[in-house]
Amino acid sequence: GAGVSQSPSNKVTEKGKDVELRCDPISGHTALYWYRQSLGQGLEFLIYFQGNSAPDKSGLPSDRFSAERTGGSVSTLTIQRTQQEDSAVYLCASSPRGVGSQPQHFGDGTRLSIL
Amino acid sequence: AQSVTQPDIHITVSEGASLELRCNYSYGATPYLFWYVQSPGQGLQLLLKYFSGDTLVQGIKGFEAEFKRSQSSFNLRKPSVHWSDAAEYFCAVGYGGSQGNLIFGKGTKLSVKP
Repeated sequence: GAGVSQSPSNKVTEKGKDVELRCDPISGHTALYWYRQSLGQGLEFLIYFQGNSAPDKSGLPSDRFSAERTGGSVSTLTIQRTQQEDSAVYLCASSPRGVGSQPQHFGDGTRLSIL
Repeated sequence: AQSVTQPDIHITVSEGASLELRCNYSYGATPYLFWYVQSPGQGLQLLLKYFSGDTLVQGIKGFEAEFKRSQSSFNLRKPSVHWSDAAEYFCAVGYGGSQGNLIFGKGTKLSVKP
């Protein structure tokens, strides 16, 4: 079956512009996660959606970052007024239920470059 | 705070040689432990996981890992490395309960010499 799909695969934009990154999780997975991967820094947790519960936004680095998940499926991560330090690979993952015992299935990521 | 340490940033091994990648975690309770592999331009692929029971777990692609509670370690091993194993490897810890996000180490990049 289809895996986690992310779009676009690459995005280049100018500093100060807004960007939207999309994630389409595996069908039936109720949990969805966004991570940021910066060079040499591993993966940094950003936000987590589980079903209809309020999202865990504890990892968002600033109020320029926001995310939503519509209909319990597709999610959009929005970065407003982008800065050069936002350049990174943004990875989305999903799992059947949002518990720590379940492995997460990752998309191929969106490589974001801020000029 | 929970954390994961991968002490080796970059390891180079010869094809056919054995491999061990180190992972140490800091977590108060019994952790859920994972190893993922990432090839360039790709997402992360799950190699193996440990939840409970037998402390030696087998994964895909001939990898195995051993959970040692006394050392807070979950090292990844492979008896004979293939050139296609060159990639970046991430160790991760999952919380118990309903908090689902993983804590990742910073990764170990594996290079394989012919």
